[in-house]
Amino acid sequence: GIQVEQSPPDLILQEGANSTLRCNFSDSVNNLQWFHQNPWGQLINLFYIPSGTKQNGRLSATTVATERYSLLYISSSQTTDSGVYFCAVDVGDDKIIFGKGTRLHILP
Amino acid sequence: EPEVTQTPSHQVTQMGQEVILRCVPISNHLYFYWYRQILGQKVEFLVSFYNNEISEKSEIFDDQFSVERPDGSNFTLKIRSTKLEDSAMYFCASSGDREMDIQYFGAGTRLSVL
Repeated sequence: GIQVEQSPPDLILQEGANSTLRCNFSDSVNNLQWFHQNPWGQLINLFYIPSGTKQNGRLSATTVATERYSLLYISSSQTTDSGVYFCAVDVGDDKIIFGKGTRLHILP
Repeated sequence: EPEVTQTPSHQVTQMGQEVILRCVPISNHLYFYWYRQILGQKVEFLVSFYNNEISEKSEIFDDQFSVERPDGSNFTLKIRSTKLEDSAMYFCASSGDREMDIQYFGAGTRLSVL
């Protein structure tokens, strides 16, 4: 089956810094989503981005489907950005496959 | 914005007991899903449901698990006889279209089996 790999596994940054999270996938996908899991465990959908670039405030994402990767950019990090960021891909067979996530710690 | 609602937010049960986790998907959605996340691990697919039947299930979804859409709004996951290793966060999701639509996730139910 498809493999979804996220890097780095852990990232510690000072408040105000910028960060780039990466998601590589091993096969063609129909859809790709980025999620933020907050400290209470809730999954918050950030982007639905099978290809191209999208921006939402301080967050933006780019997926290059032909090269099988996606990037999530967080600018001017805030402590509330802390949590785990998951990439998840849909290959069209009724389920989405999650990566193992990047755990982000933003220090005040 | 419409959302997927899950209840309860936290369920504590004794090993061997039956539990039912409840979900109210987005009202015009047709596809429903359950996922599981053991603490500290990634989110894993359990089952998908369409047109009142299971369309796909993972190897995790054994005979102890069942799903049901008892009425027009609820979608439930039942664990018949809970085990310690069933302790996890359970997420419900729904989508309007299988291939092209985003899956919207609920906030999750944390199941603790003692």
